[in-house]
Amino acid sequence: DVKVTQSSRYLVKRTGEKVFLECVQDMDHENMFWYRQDPGLGLRLIYFSYDVKMKEKGDIPEGYSVSREKKERFSLILESASTNQTSMYLCAASTRAVFSYEQYFGPGTRLTVT
Amino acid sequence: GQNIDQPTEMTATEGAIVQINCTYQTSGFNGLFWYQQHAGEAPTFLSYNVLDGLEEKGRFSSFLSRSKGYSYLLLKELQMKDSASYLCAVLSNDYKLSFGAGTTVTVRA
Repeated sequence: DVKVTQSSRYLVKRTGEKVFLECVQDMDHENMFWYRQDPGLGLRLIYFSYDVKMKEKGDIPEGYSVSREKKERFSLILESASTNQTSMYLCAASTRAVFSYEQYFGPGTRLTVT
Repeated sequence: GQNIDQPTEMTATEGAIVQINCTYQTSGFNGLFWYQQHAGEAPTFLSYNVLDGLEEKGRFSSFLSRSKGYSYLLLKELQMKDSASYLCAVLSNDYKLSFGAGTTVTVRA
């Protein structure tokens, strides 16, 4: 089984702080994704990456950046945290192998910005 | 872009059947996923449909009609542990998943 881990389950930060959310996967999957999940809105894609040093904007990239220096690690960065970034953040990984498009999710990080 | 609709909530009795519908409008389609998510946990994979028809997997079945932009997830012989949120997601040609808001299913004794 693919295992996706995230650095923290719960995080509390102050407005204006720089925040790093780390995600690591152990199955050598090419694709990695960052989502945020809010009640009534479902999961929304922030950024994704197809390979090392590659990144693509998702549907809601504003206020976020990402880094993928190694294949197994995908970091989400909040340059200056704001209260509207309080949310559950989920990382996922998937392979590009044919007929194997399933995304495997990490346990999530619940971020509160005060 | 993608527009994915599913009901917000459904309630059913233990042992019964529930059908969760999902309609979508998409600019590129490479399959449809259903995920289950228990409160406070990560989504877990249930099913993947790329061709029209019904896929059965134990108590869970998923149906797809590409021409109608429609799918459903059928949960049979409901158990209390099936109380969860069920997420419909469409895979686009560039491997991006777009999710519906999710359907919260409550199973009552």
